[in-house]
Amino acid sequence: DIQMTQSPSSLSASVGDRVTITCRASQSISNYLNWYQQKPGRAPNLLIYAASNLQSGVPSRFSGSGSGTDFTLTISGLQPEDFATYHCQQTYSTPMYTFGQGTKLEIK
Amino acid sequence: EVQLVESGGGLVKPGGSLRLSCAASGFTFSSYGMNWVRQAPGKGLEWVSYISTSSSRIFYADSVKGRFTISRDNAKNSLYLQMNNMRAEDTAVYYCGRDELIGGRLPGLDYWGQGNLVTVSS
Repeated sequence: DIQMTQSPSSLSASVGDRVTITCRASQSISNYLNWYQQKPGRAPNLLIYAASNLQSGVPSRFSGSGSGTDFTLTISGLQPEDFATYHCQQTYSTPMYTFGQGTKLEIK
Repeated sequence: EVQLVESGGGLVKPGGSLRLSCAASGFTFSSYGMNWVRQAPGKGLEWVSYISTSSSRIFYADSVKGRFTISRDNAKNSLYLQMNNMRAEDTAVYYCGRDELIGGRLPGLDYWGQGNLVTVSS
């Protein structure tokens, strides 16, 4: 099974900051990597697909990069509505997907 | 507008059974694979099961294999998860999610239901 490890598990930042979240796969997954945002009490929402492609309607301050085993989600210029939990998902072993454990982004 | 609405959650005793439903609308349900994903309290997301459009391909996470059964009724635009022999560790919010080739390229879950809490406790 492909394991996904996110770091950090939590992160404090201020409005306007630039933050980076990392996701590492236990084996190469090419670019089969998605990022989701989840706000408390809500379902996850797809942000980035295929490692670096912005889902329709997602602000351009979000970006993704990486390939193989190491991936990053970057938010440039944090906005109040960005404080949420972020999850990575590998789809290389589709449809037996695996998610990372999540990264909670909190206001400093 | 695409909508996925789960129902059927609640409190069940260890060893008991529960059936979740997910009613789909706003898209051609029979053209999409569907998933169940769960989230234990304070934890990350865990993929549970997948079913293809015609139910010919079905997959389960090891943690639920042999206890849970996914099914669908395309005539009723509905997805189901039959959960048997339930354990405390099955306590979670359960989401149904539509499987799609995002951007026509690689798979992902582009629409999710609102979630349905299942609690396994005596």
